[in-house]
Amino acid sequence: AQTVTQSQPEMSVQEAETVTLSCTYDTSENNYYLFWYKQPPSRQMILVIRQEAYKQQNATENRFSVNFQKAAKSFSLKISDSQLGDTAMYFCAFMKPAGLNTGTASKLTFGTGTRLQVTL
Amino acid sequence: DVKVTQSSRYLVKRTGEKVFLECVQDMDHENMFWYRQDPGLGLRLIYFSYDVKMKEKGDIPEGYSVSREKKERFSLILESASTNQTSMYLCASSSRDKAPVNYGYTFGSGTRLTVV
Repeated sequence: AQTVTQSQPEMSVQEAETVTLSCTYDTSENNYYLFWYKQPPSRQMILVIRQEAYKQQNATENRFSVNFQKAAKSFSLKISDSQLGDTAMYFCAFMKPAGLNTGTASKLTFGTGTRLQVTL
Repeated sequence: DVKVTQSSRYLVKRTGEKVFLECVQDMDHENMFWYRQDPGLGLRLIYFSYDVKMKEKGDIPEGYSVSREKKERFSLILESASTNQTSMYLCASSSRDKAPVNYGYTFGSGTRLTVV
């Protein structure tokens, strides 16, 4: 079974600064996907960024980027130019894809989350 | 444009009651999921369904059951609610054909259940 570990329960960053959230995972799989989700106080889970394990290039989405280290099984999220609207819970998640004809679904395994507070 | 709707945002039930949590999606997704979210434990998968009437246990199915009679609706059932089932429950859906790896899941806004 896969496990996802987020070792920072809470973090704080000042507006306009950069912050990095850490995530490690454990798997014996070679083909998998990693995600970062954001959950603001509204509770709506929002996909922030995803990374395919077979790609060496780190994913980037505007101010959000990841540092994917496959050998170390590490997947950290960097938020640049932090904004007040970035205040949220952030969850790292792992997915082993299910084949189209396997009769099951691709499941997400989540970490315990990091609560990020952006301050003025 | 809400795409995954959970019937209640807050719910208070008594110990021993049978509780139904409802989830409806309008995206014609094959897969639907129920997660439980607790502080310090993250999201844990209770049950999921990959087709109408098909279901599989997740990581913490004890004390729960599910029903999927129609493609758009997935119900989580607490047969006899207990105080340790007080939690936030999140429903999600994903497409089998559109590669969940590309789109992830679409989540509902959660139901905060309190069992007293």
